[in-house]
Amino acid sequence: GQQVMQIPQYQHVQEGEDFTTYCNSSTTLSNIQWYKQRPGGHPVFLIQLVKSGEVKKQKRLTFQFGEAKKNSSLHITATQTTDVGTYFCAGLLGAGKSTFGDGTTLTVKP
Amino acid sequence: ETGVTQTPRHLVMGMTNKKSLKCEQHLGHNAMYWYKQSAKKPLELMFVYSLEERVENNSVPSRFSPECPNSSHLFLHLHTLQPEDSALYLCASSQVLAGNYEQYFGPGTRLTVT
Repeated sequence: GQQVMQIPQYQHVQEGEDFTTYCNSSTTLSNIQWYKQRPGGHPVFLIQLVKSGEVKKQKRLTFQFGEAKKNSSLHITATQTTDVGTYFCAGLLGAGKSTFGDGTTLTVKP
Repeated sequence: ETGVTQTPRHLVMGMTNKKSLKCEQHLGHNAMYWYKQSAKKPLELMFVYSLEERVENNSVPSRFSPECPNSSHLFLHLHTLQPEDSALYLCASSQVLAGNYEQYFGPGTRLTVT
């Protein structure tokens, strides 16, 4: 069965509101990656987290890796219309196998 | 972005046809992947090649046949497909180093089986 779960599946926000998507694994992950796919586009790598409790920031995006390395989150502060798309997490379970979550699709109302 | 290219971008084929999807990466990576993306399953890993050897085959039906002649090229041969195989087929590559599995995706081939 699926080993990496992502919630919520959809999120609709007003421009300027914050947004968070969560990724949870039933097993410990070696690392976790986040990707963004714009409508009609392909997934584009955003960031990789490796260390327990790691926090990384990219402008308005904050990525966290849980202490137990079983969960992660992506938080966007003050969303903009350019943030629309589907955000995927991908957990590396070992032996080079990454498992993607089902993604969270974000829509932003201007 | 031209690091990973895929051809054709769109393909319509009948259930009795045979066609091939092509992927080429210009990034010097040593691993390549095929994914299927549909409304039912957003990103479904099909095959993984690392150093030109197939290391992953996720119970994909035999009507899909991958080929990796060298580290830069990846093919997906299709025959006797079903309408439920209609989807976006994405190719990706990565340079598998210690702890780094960042994947670069191509634009995809939109496949419609009639």
